[in-house]
Amino acid sequence: AQTVTQSQPEMSVQEAETVTLSCTYDTSESDYYLFWYKQPPSRQMILVIRQEAYKQQNATENRFSVNFQKAAKSFSLKISDSQLGDAAMYFCAYETSGSRLTFGEGTQLTVNP
Amino acid sequence: DAGVIQSPRHEVTEMGQEVTLRCKPISGHNSLFWYRQTMMRGLELLIYFNNNVPIDDSGMPEDRFSAKMPNASFSTLKIQPSEPRDSAVYFCASGDWEDYGYTFGSGTRLTVV
Repeated sequence: AQTVTQSQPEMSVQEAETVTLSCTYDTSESDYYLFWYKQPPSRQMILVIRQEAYKQQNATENRFSVNFQKAAKSFSLKISDSQLGDAAMYFCAYETSGSRLTFGEGTQLTVNP
Repeated sequence: DAGVIQSPRHEVTEMGQEVTLRCKPISGHNSLFWYRQTMMRGLELLIYFNNNVPIDDSGMPEDRFSAKMPNASFSTLKIQPSEPRDSAVYFCASGDWEDYGYTFGSGTRLTVV
């Protein structure tokens, strides 16, 4: 079974600084997708960024970028120029055609003014 | 598009009562998912549908839980009888089966007392 592990239950960052959230996963599949979802206090699950495993280029969405290391099965999220509105729980997730979204435990990010 | 719409947003019920959670997916999406979120177990996939047909219900906790999707624009998750351990946030999400990553609703917070 596929597993997703987020080893950092909590992280904090100063406003305008950069923070990296870690995620590792375990799979025997070669074709899959990886995601980062954000869950603010409103509890809405918001898709932040996604990465196709067959693409070598790391995905980028404005201030959010990933470092995808397929061989190491690592998928970290970098948030640049952190803003107060970035404070949320962040979930790493994995999906392949044979199984639907599997989530990690989450990392609670605090942004300090 | 109004996104995935879930109702009610909050539900408080007494143990033993029947509870029905509702979901309206995004128009045009052909897959629908029900997730449950708790502090202890994180985000768990309960069941998912493709073209209104249940594909995998292995995540449904027990016979007290049932889900239906009578048409492409409506799904329900029913718990009968409800128990305190069913207290959680229940999310509905919809997507395109040929694509990856879903759009989540705002969730229903269920409290069983």
